[in-house]
Amino acid sequence: KAGVTQTPRYLIKTRGQQVTLSCSPISGHRSVSWYQQTPGQGLQFLFEYFSETQRNKGNFPGRFSGRQFSNSRSEMNVSTLELGDSALYLCASSEDGNYGYTFGSGTRLTVV
Amino acid sequence: GDSVTQMEGPVTLSEEAFLTINCTYTATGYPSLFWYVQYPGEGLQLLLKATKADDKGSNKGFEATYRKETTSFHLEKGSVQVSDSAVYFCALSDTGTYKYIFGTGTRLKVLA
Repeated sequence: KAGVTQTPRYLIKTRGQQVTLSCSPISGHRSVSWYQQTPGQGLQFLFEYFSETQRNKGNFPGRFSGRQFSNSRSEMNVSTLELGDSALYLCASSEDGNYGYTFGSGTRLTVV
Repeated sequence: GDSVTQMEGPVTLSEEAFLTINCTYTATGYPSLFWYVQYPGEGLQLLLKATKADDKGSNKGFEATYRKETTSFHLEKGSVQVSDSAVYFCALSDTGTYKYIFGTGTRLKVLA
């Protein structure tokens, strides 16, 4: 079956702009989580959604937000972009969040 | 809070050498433990997992045993191949938190 699909693969944005990243989970998976990966901070948890409800949130500023739709697809939004937001953003899906996650290939965001 | 500590890389080995990547954890509960692998330009792939003490996870010749007494989950492989060159991440997840805490990753380079 198809894996976790993230779009777009690459993005270049200017400071101050906003960006929306998209994630389509594996069919039947209802839990979707997001991570930020940077060389300095490594992999950090952003948030997790299950059946359109956010169940957990990491320590990121309010500029980072997300949502999940009824078909389990998820989006994350970053407003007022800063240079430090440049990172690989990874989406992962799981049946219910307790049996291991499958990751997508990520969206590489560059803020200039 | 919970944390994962991995050995510093890079680890450079010759083909067919024995591999050990150390991973220790700190957790308040009884977490599940995971090893993920990341190839260049890609997302994370689940390599193996263990959900309770003394469980042994194994896949593609890799194995790791959940040791509660030493709070460790070391990754081993008896004979590495050039194709095993990648970054390996150890992670934990406490039931009900729906998130991973990752180690910093260990880069493995296997020479022919």
